Amino acid sequence: GAVVSQHPSRVICKSGTSVKIECRSLDFQATTMFWYRQFPKQSLMLMATSNEGSKATYEQGVEKDKFLINHASLTLSTLTVTSAHPEDSSFYICSAPRAGREQYFGPGTRLTVT
Amino acid sequence: GIQVEQSPPDLILQEGANSTLRCNFSDSVNNLQWFHQNPWGQLINLFYIPSGTKQNGRLSATTVATERYSLLYISSSQTTDSGVYFCAVGTGGGNKLTFGTGTQLKVEL
Repeated sequence: GAVVSQHPSRVICKSGTSVKIECRSLDFQATTMFWYRQFPKQSLMLMATSNEGSKATYEQGVEKDKFLINHASLTLSTLTVTSAHPEDSSFYICSAPRAGREQYFGPGTRLTVT
Repeated sequence: GIQVEQSPPDLILQEGANSTLRCNFSDSVNNLQWFHQNPWGQLINLFYIPSGTKQNGRLSATTVATERYSLLYISSSQTTDSGVYFCAVGTGGGNKLTFGTGTQLKVEL
């Protein structure tokens, strides 16, 4: 069964509003989680590394003030897209290593900004 | 950063056919995973294979780390195998993955 969950699976919001996406590890603790973004017909691109108890690490070119990440517990990381615009519309996916290095991915959140 | 290229980019098969998907990477890795992304976007773990050979049913994978490539074999393909196949690699001390360009597979009756 699923080991990483995401909520919501789909969200539509108006331009200028903020949206929060949750990522949970279901039966294990994860001190580190990862957030990816995927545009249609493209591969996944790593956005940031979420670290429990410390600041997130962002990949080059990702605006940390726009994509706020909070790793509040060993099973929960949240991604908040602030002041969303249509160009932020994408598929957002989180992952966590369950044991060792093997990563497990959530089902993704499809964000549409109108 | 590391470059990860997959081939072929697109593949159409008749049901029952076999196929080989390739993943080339430009640097040493300590993690390599193969995924199948279903039509709803979910990434399904197929193999964790930084080196060696593994088999799971009709699927098998081989990674030759010294030559910086990995192969995914699909035998007796079924329509449910359709979707996008990604390899992803990790380097260094962290666990973050760099994804390949993907192979879009369509299996027809």
